[in-house]
Amino acid sequence: DAKTTQPTSMDCAEGRAANLPCNHSTISGNEYVYWYRQIHSQGPQYIIHGLKNNETNEMASLIITEDRKSSTLILPHATLRDTAVYYCIVRVGLAGGFKTIFGAGTRLFVKA
Amino acid sequence: EAGVAQSPRYKIIEKRQSVAFWCNPISGHATLYWYQQILGQGPKLLIQFQNNGVVDDSQLPKDRFSAERLKGVDSTLKIQPAKLEDSAVYLCASSTGTTYVEQFFGPGTRLTVL
Repeated sequence: DAKTTQPTSMDCAEGRAANLPCNHSTISGNEYVYWYRQIHSQGPQYIIHGLKNNETNEMASLIITEDRKSSTLILPHATLRDTAVYYCIVRVGLAGGFKTIFGAGTRLFVKA
Repeated sequence: EAGVAQSPRYKIIEKRQSVAFWCNPISGHATLYWYQQILGQGPKLLIQFQNNGVVDDSQLPKDRFSAERLKGVDSTLKIQPAKLEDSAVYLCASSTGTTYVEQFFGPGTRLTVL
């Protein structure tokens, strides 16, 4: 089972910031939080990841709470092309590495 | 840099028939993944290879699904015989290793079982 919970769907106005929350209350101290998104009819695309500190790249910012039990992905100026399903993921450890378990994600609708 | 290649893009078969999907990962990527994505759900990991060895196949229905990655490069996923509930998009992804953060996904193969 996925180790994260996210809202099923969210709306955002074009040009405004989209803030997507994620709860991961059982996360361990050395586990990273990853975000992917999936635009319709395409494979998922990596966005960003973080451990403790806030992270920013050209696509988004990731804010992780101090207790690491939740995080927020921020798209600073959402465009219509950001309409997609966003997945928050905490990987599960395996003997040979890690396993990625996707939940149902949050369906973000960016509206003009 | 070429991305993950998959073929075919679409396949329609009748139940009880067999089908095979092919994936060519990004050059140099040691880890290859096969996911099944049913409409409206997130991708479900079926099998994960590290080079040509299986790291995890706990969710692969082994009575009908099989996968191989000969020579540690490209991979095939086979379903034999197919059931109606196998209708889904089959996604292949690759990464440089199991501890590396970013998986690169192919466009997927959409399978319809009638």
